[in-house]
Amino acid sequence: NAGVTQTPKFQVLKTGQSMTLQCAQDMNHEYMSWYRQDPGMGLRLIHYSVGAGITDQGEVPNGYNVSRSTTEDFPLRLLSAAPSQTSVYFCASSSAGANDEKLFFGSGTQLSVL
Amino acid sequence: AQSVTQLGSHVSVSEGALVLLRCNYSSSVPPYLFWYVQYPNQGLQLLLKYTSAATLVKGINGFEAEFKKSETSFHLTKPSAHMSDAAEYFCAVSEGGANNLFFGTGTRLTVIP
Repeated sequence: NAGVTQTPKFQVLKTGQSMTLQCAQDMNHEYMSWYRQDPGMGLRLIHYSVGAGITDQGEVPNGYNVSRSTTEDFPLRLLSAAPSQTSVYFCASSSAGANDEKLFFGSGTQLSVL
Repeated sequence: AQSVTQLGSHVSVSEGALVLLRCNYSSSVPPYLFWYVQYPNQGLQLLLKYTSAATLVKGINGFEAEFKKSETSFHLTKPSAHMSDAAEYFCAVSEGGANNLFFGTGTRLTVIP
């Protein structure tokens, strides 16, 4: 059982470049979310989805786009990367939202924007 | 508005000593409270969750936390630290039906042999 898979694990971008962080889960979870983790700030919610075709903004959505065309995948897009987006990004999924005790996290993507 | 404050960004204990990691929360409604652990280069794993069923919550790996409404606290404890407990610990709060967890800034636990 793969759980929540994030790719790539590491990425370096130049300012203005675009890229997509991939997140896939094989547990048939309806809820998926993206967090960013910055030193001294804990994790903050970027976007979340409660099912295919449904997405909504979290605390820090600016500069990021998401879509949910399938239950399994929830990609995070940076259209024009900025140094302020240097962070570690975590994807999480569950069958019953953020409160679910079975909220599974991926192992993270470390992104550096130069 | 919900928020969590974790006192102490770094805590060091000797192996076998008591572990106490502090968390205070702010919530306008009865909250859900969580403790997560993060080992190096890994995602977060749930240690325990409070949902109002009992004020003392037992989690995995010998950890427990006590909900104290009068103090708005949810401190994490373990009677005897083990080397494998070295990690970063996050307290989080959420309101029922919400789709977001609000995390504290984390406490890095070091266990000294």
